[in-house]
Amino acid sequence: NAGVMQNPRHLVRRRGQEARLRCSPMKGHSHVYWYRQLPEEGLKFMVYLQKENIIDESGMPKERFSAEFPKEGPSILRIQQVVRGDSAAYFCASRGATPQETQYFGPGTRLLVL
Amino acid sequence: AQTVTQSQPEMSVQEAETVTLSCTYDTSESDYYLFWYKQPPSRQMILVIRQEAYKQQNATENRFSVNFQKAAKSFSLKISDSQLGDAAMYFCAYRSSNFGNEKLTFGTGTRLTIIP
Repeated sequence: NAGVMQNPRHLVRRRGQEARLRCSPMKGHSHVYWYRQLPEEGLKFMVYLQKENIIDESGMPKERFSAEFPKEGPSILRIQQVVRGDSAAYFCASRGATPQETQYFGPGTRLLVL
Repeated sequence: AQTVTQSQPEMSVQEAETVTLSCTYDTSESDYYLFWYKQPPSRQMILVIRQEAYKQQNATENRFSVNFQKAAKSFSLKISDSQLGDAAMYFCAYRSSNFGNEKLTFGTGTRLTIIP
């Protein structure tokens, strides 16, 4: 049973470009969470999605960031017009059907903005 | 809002010895979950141990155990017989049991070094 998959593992963008980060949850999981880890800091919650729905986006920056989790395919975190401050590790986690279940993390995508 | 505090930025321990990492949290909720995650140099987040607040018994997983003091809002991690592979950043995390409010709130982490 494959774990949470994220790609790309590393992404380099120039300022002003767009970054698309993909997350495939564990098999059978339909709940996805995105977290961001700035250098030398802990993880910070960004957004929680269920298939085709955003449940909690209280941690998402108001501009340039968006997330989706379509009925088919991976969850996508999209960052438009990236700036140097967006450089970070972005982690995706997924859980199973019941809210009590543990969130399991993917390996992360390291975004570097030049 | 819930907060999680890890007051030890760095800790070190001799191989085969025991070390305890501290974590305190602040919440007004009575039911919640607490976690310790390990982040080795690969930066993968690995679940070490989980504790449900309604359970009085402290969770254990092999060499890892917790001391959960609900009234004091304290949740420390004890690593026994430390091994070189335990070297990592350790993050304490809190999660509400309320449906829809399932985000993990992390502390700032403790970097654990194992001395051979």
